[in-house]
Amino acid sequence: NAGVTQTPKFRILKIGQSMTLQCTQDMNHNYMYWYRQDPGMGLKLIYYSVGAGITDKGEVPNGYNVSRSTTEDFPLRLELAAPSQTSVYFCASGRGANYGYTFGSGTRLTVV
Amino acid sequence: KNEVEQSPQNLTAQEGEFITINCSYSVGISALHWLQQHPGGGIVSLFMLSSGKKKHGRLIATINIQEKHSSLHITASHPRDSAVYICAVRFGNEKLTFGTGTRLTIIP
Repeated sequence: NAGVTQTPKFRILKIGQSMTLQCTQDMNHNYMYWYRQDPGMGLKLIYYSVGAGITDKGEVPNGYNVSRSTTEDFPLRLELAAPSQTSVYFCASGRGANYGYTFGSGTRLTVV
Repeated sequence: KNEVEQSPQNLTAQEGEFITINCSYSVGISALHWLQQHPGGGIVSLFMLSSGKKKHGRLIATINIQEKHSSLHITASHPRDSAVYICAVRFGNEKLTFGTGTRLTIIP
C-alpha cells in the first residue's frame, strides 16, 4: 500500500498563477483533509471531505477550492496564488472522525 | 475558545534519558492525538486516546480527562527520536485543533 501520496513535493509559483496539489489514498478511507503548516503555527484545516461528492470548508478556506469525485482523490486547487499562500501543505486521510490519520509527505509551496 | 498548549516548546536531552512532553487543553474533548513530524517533514500518527494510557514500544501516552492534560513519554531516548511532537485535540464534534509542537533533540 502506498498510503497517502501527494504531488508535487516542491513548487514555486508566481503571484497570480494557479495550480493543483494532488492527493491520492489507496486505503479506501472516507475522510480526507487538507492542512497548511506555517512556521511556528499548528496545522490549520483548509478543506475536508467525508466521502465522494461531499466537501466542506475548514478554518482557512479562502483562496482554495477542492473537489472529491472519487474516494481515492482529493485535489486542492489554488487560484490566483498570493505570497500568503506560501506554506507546507499536507493531505491526510482516515476512516472517520475518531480514528487515527495517515498523512502524505507534504508539498512545500513558495509564491513569489 | 478551544485551545491546545504544548510544553516545552523545545527540549534537548542526552541519549537514554526519560522524556516527557505535555499537552493541555481548554475544554472537554472527545479525542486527543499525538503525532510525530520528522526532520524531513513527514507526519506520523503515534496515538489516539480518549482516556487512560496507551503504549507502543518505548512510547507511552497518558491522558487525564479531569485535569485536561495529556503527556507523551519516551523511555530510553535515542537520537532517532529527534523530531517535532504534535498534540491535536478534537473538541466535541469539531475538527482537530493542533498544538504548535515540541521540538525534541536527543544528543548521542
